[in-house]
Amino acid sequence: GAVVSQHPSRVICKSGTSVKIECRSLDFQATTMFWYRQFPKQSLMLMATSNEGSKATYEQGVEKDKFLINHASLTLSTLTVTSAHPEDSSFYICSAREQGAGDTGELFFGEGSRLTVL
Amino acid sequence: GQNIDQPTEMTATEGAIVQINCTYQTSGFNGLFWYQQHAGEAPTFLSYNVLDGLEEKGRFSSFLSRSKGYSYLLLKELQMKDSASYLCAVTDSNYQLIWGAGTKLIIKP
Repeated sequence: GAVVSQHPSRVICKSGTSVKIECRSLDFQATTMFWYRQFPKQSLMLMATSNEGSKATYEQGVEKDKFLINHASLTLSTLTVTSAHPEDSSFYICSAREQGAGDTGELFFGEGSRLTVL
Repeated sequence: GQNIDQPTEMTATEGAIVQINCTYQTSGFNGLFWYQQHAGEAPTFLSYNVLDGLEEKGRFSSFLSRSKGYSYLLLKELQMKDSASYLCAVTDSNYQLIWGAGTKLIIKP
């Protein structure tokens, strides 16, 4: 099956620093990738939809200047948490659909990245 | 508003059968997904229903009734490794995925 790789799996940083998380589709091309965050015992919350070659579409309430998304190629999207604060500590997960799979195609998830901001 | 409801937690015995229900109220419907998520890990795909009826896949089955806004995930011959959260998600008319909060399933020996 299709594989999505996310890196790093865990990151601890100091308050005020920036952290970049990478999401790669290893054996398929993904024109669209999705970024979620998940707090403990809560469901996935969609942050933004990342489109290759164009600007990301952010969900209401998500600060686009704080959560920078770059989808530079059909296999790579990055999420940068800028000037991170302790309240940004969360589990960040990316997902992707195969190009051509359609809007109801199966989502393949990365392993997730646990961010802890001290 | 859009809403997905599923029980917060369920407990079942190893070897038994458990049914996890999901009801939804969304603006349009373009399919329902079930995902399994172990603690600290990303979700993994279990099933997809877009038409009414039962889809069987090994020990797992998923049922959908669009007129009732209802689905269930049926797990048979439960194993300890089935202890996880099970997420119900619906694709609405804009093809946005609406996620339920998940049902934590605890399997006891």
